Amino acid sequence: EADIYQTPRYLVIGTGKKITLECSQTMGHDKMYWYQQDPGMELHLIHYSYGVNSTEKGDLSSESTVSRIRTEHFPLTLESARPSHTSQYLCASSVPGTELFLEQFFGPGTRLTVL
Amino acid sequence: QKEVEQNSGPLSVPEGAIASLNCTYSDRVSQSFFWYRQYSGKSPELIMSIYSNGDKEDGRFTAQLNKASQYVSLLIRDSQPSDSATYLCAVNTGFQKLVFGTGTRLLVSP
Repeated sequence: EADIYQTPRYLVIGTGKKITLECSQTMGHDKMYWYQQDPGMELHLIHYSYGVNSTEKGDLSSESTVSRIRTEHFPLTLESARPSHTSQYLCASSVPGTELFLEQFFGPGTRLTVL
Repeated sequence: QKEVEQNSGPLSVPEGAIASLNCTYSDRVSQSFFWYRQYSGKSPELIMSIYSNGDKEDGRFTAQLNKASQYVSLLIRDSQPSDSATYLCAVNTGFQKLVFGTGTRLLVSP
């Protein structure tokens, strides 16, 4: 099982601010993912990475950006937050050596509210 | 048609009963299948994975896969109030990404 950490857990911020949501994992997993989930709604993949210097956009268009400079770190940045960005952001990683099976483990999430 | 479909529920069962959760998927090349449990306000937790046709049992949980029918299910025996949550079905369609269903809300009454 992966140890995945997300900070902050809760964030309330004003419109127009730049924010970075942090995600770190200590297990050396190559693949990492960011999902967005509104209350009671389905998970939407917004970004993923296969490894260092690899980033891809997911299935849901997002104004956020990501970087992967270190294996263990996969931060998500919003340059100018808007109320439409209010949501829960979930980070996940998958166990290496299971490319076929792709078990993903999730961090605790960041609940973002933009006023 | 959605890639992964689940009945949103709620599915209500009494304590001690068997809860049966179902999921269908559209892509025939899908290779692996997962069930996640998500409590309200929390992140999804992986509870079962299945890759081959048939049944896979883990404690009170049994996952069933029928690739010919493109159908995967989760049975929870001896359901407990603590099992009340939303259960997400996820499918690996071969692009190193998971596609999630919308989830089925399960309510277990004491």
